[in-house]
Amino acid sequence: QVQLVQSGAEVKKPGASVKVSCKASGYTFTRYGIIWLRQAPGQGLQWMGWISAYSGTTNYAQIFQDRVMMTTDTSTSTAYMELRSLIIDDTAVYYCARAYCSSTSCPGSKFDTWGQGTLVTVSS
Amino acid sequence: SYVLTQPPSVSVAPGQTAKITCEGNNIRSKSVHWYQQKPGQAPLLVVYDDRDRPSGIPERFSGSNSGNTATLTISRVEAADEADYYCQVWDTSSDHPVFGGGAKLTVL
Repeated sequence: QVQLVQSGAEVKKPGASVKVSCKASGYTFTRYGIIWLRQAPGQGLQWMGWISAYSGTTNYAQIFQDRVMMTTDTSTSTAYMELRSLIIDDTAVYYCARAYCSSTSCPGSKFDTWGQGTLVTVSS
Repeated sequence: SYVLTQPPSVSVAPGQTAKITCEGNNIRSKSVHWYQQKPGQAPLLVVYDDRDRPSGIPERFSGSNSGNTATLTISRVEAADEADYYCQVWDTSSDHPVFGGGAKLTVL
């Protein structure tokens, strides 16, 4: 079955970086994209960016533009999201989800498969 | 950028019908998707493209989209339906998804 499995919880200090992985199975990885979102405690869903697994094209939310990087490894069907210069307010559950993307965009896309979420705690 | 507005909370008695709205400028021109999120779990797609249901989602869940309002309707509400519900569209002008703020459904 189609599945996304994320890496485990992380605890980081302010100023550090975190890299979350999202391993896909059950479908052809390069035919879709991956979207990354986060959810702070008690808050709603915040879009961070998406990446086309076919072309590597990315589109980041402006608020994260300067400190996020999304990549994929097609040999292992794994997507990665790295967030740098962490602050306390980056404490959240980070999710990956499958997106219906072409090589350059994901118009109208729904997210039909989600990872289980990765809790990232930023604390001094 | 495009904004989606949802009521913070909706309450309904078991067996009744719950309607959760999602307002956006001319939202009828967009495809609306709905997600259910229970505490400690990842979101689950329950309606896509305004009114279609993924495999495994009960027929009790339905959607509509007209004018400036999209609606998720849950018929014969059960205690297990208690969750946060988010609407989502794709903003083509900025090429990114937009989520509503979420509506908490409470089953009385």
